[in-house]
Amino acid sequence: AQSVTQLGSHVSVSEGALVLLRCNYSSSVPPYLFWYVQYPNQGLQLLLKYTTGATLVKGINGFEAEFKKSETSFHLTKPSAHMSDAAEYFCAVSVNTGFQKLVFGTGTRLLVSP
Amino acid sequence: GAGVSQSPSNKVTEKGKDVELRCDPISGHTALYWYRQSLGQGLEFLIYFQGNSAPDKSGLPSDRFSAERTGGSVSTLTIQRTQQEDSAVYFCASSLGSRTRNEQFFGPGTRLTVL
Repeated sequence: AQSVTQLGSHVSVSEGALVLLRCNYSSSVPPYLFWYVQYPNQGLQLLLKYTTGATLVKGINGFEAEFKKSETSFHLTKPSAHMSDAAEYFCAVSVNTGFQKLVFGTGTRLLVSP
Repeated sequence: GAGVSQSPSNKVTEKGKDVELRCDPISGHTALYWYRQSLGQGLEFLIYFQGNSAPDKSGLPSDRFSAERTGGSVSTLTIQRTQQEDSAVYFCASSLGSRTRNEQFFGPGTRLTVL
């Protein structure tokens, strides 16, 4: 069965610093992988997704993620954090059920300090 | 344009009562999903609707949970005889289709508190 592990429930960075949020997945088939962001009291918004093709995926707001099959990882990065990036981030894998059934990690809350 | 809307935004109920949560998907979206997010957890899939096909109910945690989608649009999630462990935020999402390339758009959620 597919599953997702996000290391670190909280990550703190200073404004302007590199953001690295870790995600490892388990899947018996080639995975489709997603990163979502959740701002307070809002629904989830898709940041980026990997399906096939290029392993480095660029998303909105300057975020990108690299699919590394050998490491079963899909870490999310941003070169320079902004205060507005403070939110909860969820990694998800799509289960091969014939529709896009998402299995989510437990989330990482990103805190950005001035 | 209008996104996915959910009502109510907050619901407080007593243990044993029934509750109904409503979802209005984006117009034209044929796929509709329900998820729930318990405190400190990621989102958990509950149920999926695609057009007029029979729903995939594989994520419903017990027979106290049910959902329907009328006219291929609005959906209602019903929880009967609520328990304290049902307390969570319930999210609805919709997409143009069911394929992976179809982005799921999430509503703001309904926070359910069972006392």
